[in-house]
Amino acid sequence: GAGVSQSPRYKVAKRGQDVALRCDPISGHVSLFWYQQALGQGPEFLTYFQNEAQLDKSGLPSDRFFAERPEGSVSTLKIQRTQQEDSAVYLCASSLGGSHGKLFFGSGTQLSVL
Amino acid sequence: SQQGEEDPQALSIQEGENATMNCSYKTSINNLQWYRQNSGRGLVHLILIRSNEREKHSGRLRVTLDTSKKSSSLLITASRAADTASYFCATDEYTGTASKLTFGTGTRLQVTL
Repeated sequence: GAGVSQSPRYKVAKRGQDVALRCDPISGHVSLFWYQQALGQGPEFLTYFQNEAQLDKSGLPSDRFFAERPEGSVSTLKIQRTQQEDSAVYLCASSLGGSHGKLFFGSGTQLSVL
Repeated sequence: SQQGEEDPQALSIQEGENATMNCSYKTSINNLQWYRQNSGRGLVHLILIRSNEREKHSGRLRVTLDTSKKSSSLLITASRAADTASYFCATDEYTGTASKLTFGTGTRLQVTL
């Protein structure tokens, strides 16, 4: 594809609802990352996939957060029983090879939990 | 946790002036990257400098890296209003299984006409 695509662009959830955020990386990109960005802050690492393997999930804030990339392309970040502190922009990024190279970012999903 | 700290947090300059942003980090790195983010958008890669490089140029951008001081600087020359954005440095950090990019807190640059 032309770039990394994320959907939805905006998501409003009531506290306690489950949400699913989708990321479509650039075709052929091996590595996929999820980041969380609070207002006025830098992106914070959540998790990393190499193809379908989740190699690092050390940044996931709690067991309410779950990410998958079953076929090594599209990835979904799921947040169960959302809390107000989950409100943030969730950014997805992909890179062609390993995790040392430059990342291509999507525009993000802005999640607001009311 | 944020690996890098950018300085200053905010910078306001006039068009045509140069803008310098600094980044300090904590651990050993393979490379350091700079990204730009326009309001409400994703990050865009600007430049990558490897740990064995000291300076790199790309158009109006100049990046330096001092691994002994664990610091980097980004210079934007002859700034334009379109350069208004947040700028982040990012360092790769090996976690034992893979490397991940860790971003700093960012510098918000405002370029006025």
